[in-house]
Amino acid sequence: GAGVSQSPRYKVTKRGQDVALRCDPISGHVSLYWYRQALGQGPEFLTYFNYEAQQDKSGLPNDRFSAERPEGSISTLTIQRTEQRDSAMYRCASSPIRPLLPHEQYFGPGTRLTVT
Amino acid sequence: AQTVTQSQPEMSVQEAETVTLSCTYDTSESNYYLFWYKQPPSRQMILVIRQEAYKQQNATENRFSVNFQKAAKSFSLKISDSQLGDTAMYFCAFMKQSGGTSYGKLTFGQGTILTVHP
Repeated sequence: GAGVSQSPRYKVTKRGQDVALRCDPISGHVSLYWYRQALGQGPEFLTYFNYEAQQDKSGLPNDRFSAERPEGSISTLTIQRTEQRDSAMYRCASSPIRPLLPHEQYFGPGTRLTVT
Repeated sequence: AQTVTQSQPEMSVQEAETVTLSCTYDTSESNYYLFWYKQPPSRQMILVIRQEAYKQQNATENRFSVNFQKAAKSFSLKISDSQLGDTAMYFCAFMKQSGGTSYGKLTFGQGTILTVHP
């Protein structure tokens, strides 16, 4: 079946502009996660949702970053007033909830954000 | 907070040989899961293998196996019969378990670039 999809795959924006990154999880997956990955580094957790509820947003770096998942499916990560330091790969992952088993996360291809 | 450390920035191996990638972690949790993910040049993130901390038996998946030492907080990945397609960046990751289910946040290490030479 279809995997996690993200759009756009590449985004170049000017400093100060707002951007919205979209994630479409695997159908039926309850949990959705956002990570940020700098070049040559491991992904860093940003936030995650179960259904439409944001369970943990402790990884969001500041209040310019926000995320929503209003209908418990597609999610949008929004970065306001972008800065050059926001340039990174933004990855989305989804997982089913299976009691007593780990929530294995399936990652999307990522959105490469470049702020000029 | 948990930390995951991969002390080998780069490794190389000849095709068909065996290589071991190291990972250590620090946590006060007693129940958790550990994972190895592979990121090839395409930059996908692919799950290679997972280990439940409560299981003493080391996980294996075909040519991939782990050496899990809970007391030492060590979780190494062994790749046997290396293939050119194994060339990738490998990430070790930690997920804590809470209340009988896993809490989904993954904490990743810095990664190890593995190159398989023909």
